[in-house]
Amino acid sequence: GAGVSQSPRYKVAKRGQDVALRCDPISGHVSLFWYQQALGQGPEFLTYFQNEAQLDKSGLPSDRFFAERPEGSVSTLKIQRTQQEDSAVYLCASSFTSGGGETQYFGPGTRLLVL
Amino acid sequence: DQQVKQNSPSLSVQEGRISILNCDYTNSMFDYFLWYKKYPAEGPTFLISISSIKDKNEDGRFTVFLNKSAKHLSLHIVPSQPGDSAVYFCAARPRGGQNFVFGPGTRLSVLP
Repeated sequence: GAGVSQSPRYKVAKRGQDVALRCDPISGHVSLFWYQQALGQGPEFLTYFQNEAQLDKSGLPSDRFFAERPEGSVSTLKIQRTQQEDSAVYLCASSFTSGGGETQYFGPGTRLLVL
Repeated sequence: DQQVKQNSPSLSVQEGRISILNCDYTNSMFDYFLWYKKYPAEGPTFLISISSIKDKNEDGRFTVFLNKSAKHLSLHIVPSQPGDSAVYFCAARPRGGQNFVFGPGTRLSVLP
């Protein structure tokens, strides 16, 4: 059916506010990835889930960033005490299996602006 | 230090001609490469891939070439069409890894 969806599409936050970004992967996809894309740059890896297990969070820039996928489907990326440098597009991607080489399918992204 | 480089931020090509987008990488552990296309306000869309065991992969108007010794890959689009105008990202995955490392992108404009 549908592709990867993300909500909200746009979020404006005041510095210090907490935000939560949601990702609905393609149904049945095992792997889920979060990326951060700054203006004029390519996506940068944040974290990776295989089902509900967070197997790699090496890309999370600080302990203010937290991601979860409790039931192995929908995922939420939470940013606490947002800072201006957190302003970026946050992309979610999913792939069918956990095997290497699988194509990742991206959602449209959430554009976060921290004032 | 960027592991995946796309040294041309932008490229303009006449409709019907060939577009060549280049990508260089530094990590010899990369063994799988993808090209993504991105339109404004949309997520990247998968275009074509190549494994390090190959040096060429073709899909319709799109061909990707891999030169492992030079750590260089290129995407050829022929003939180019106005609908190809987008930002193109090269991405690479290290052997045994799951996530991809992306280049900064090249904005392609195909002029009618």
